[in-house]
Amino acid sequence: DTEVTQTPKHLVMGMTNKKSLKCEQHMGHRAMYWYKQKAKKPPELMFVYSYEKLSINESVPSRFSPECPNSSLLNLHLHALQPEDSALYLCASSLSRTSVGELFFGEGSRLTVL
Amino acid sequence: QKEVEQNSGPLSVPEGAIASLNCTYSDRGSQSFFWYRQYSGKSPELIMFIYSNGDKEDGRFTAQLNKASQYVSLLIRDSQPSDSATYLCAVNGGNSGGSNYKLTFGKGTLLTVNP
Repeated sequence: DTEVTQTPKHLVMGMTNKKSLKCEQHMGHRAMYWYKQKAKKPPELMFVYSYEKLSINESVPSRFSPECPNSSLLNLHLHALQPEDSALYLCASSLSRTSVGELFFGEGSRLTVL
Repeated sequence: QKEVEQNSGPLSVPEGAIASLNCTYSDRGSQSFFWYRQYSGKSPELIMFIYSNGDKEDGRFTAQLNKASQYVSLLIRDSQPSDSATYLCAVNGGNSGGSNYKLTFGKGTLLTVNP
């Protein structure tokens, strides 16, 4: 199994809503990532978890809250988002934090904030 | 600030030609280099990585690295319309400057292969 699965694929939410994005991998990878990608831009790193511990937070606003319940799962909790947060949110995994470039990406969750 | 520069394109080549995609990077301490392909509306997919100076070939793809010139390239031989995508160059600075294994992406080059 060489997949990273993300749900939902599409999400529309209002600025007062609370929602979560979910990511799952069963490749035995110990590093998991959240990236944000706007149209015609490269992916921007948001968070890195290594061995289920948060190792990098790229000064992301607190309205985004990551969670890593176990080595296979990664969540991104969303609350009080702004329309400019509309983007494609990509989950990725790698064997470890040291193999950060060899990323397996999920298909992404396309978020629209109204 | 670490930078990875790519020509945004679009780069247009005829089917069967060689497509040459280029990337330069600013951090001399960078240690590993990656090429991702991203089709429109899809997520990035790793297609090549290179760690040492020289060439690395995989099928129709060849990655070339020149650390002295801080330059990495991707050649696609016998280009096919299915190769039409945005190609993202990514660089890992390892431990240099406190980057601690963070990947820096270029803005990507849009490649169009015309039948």
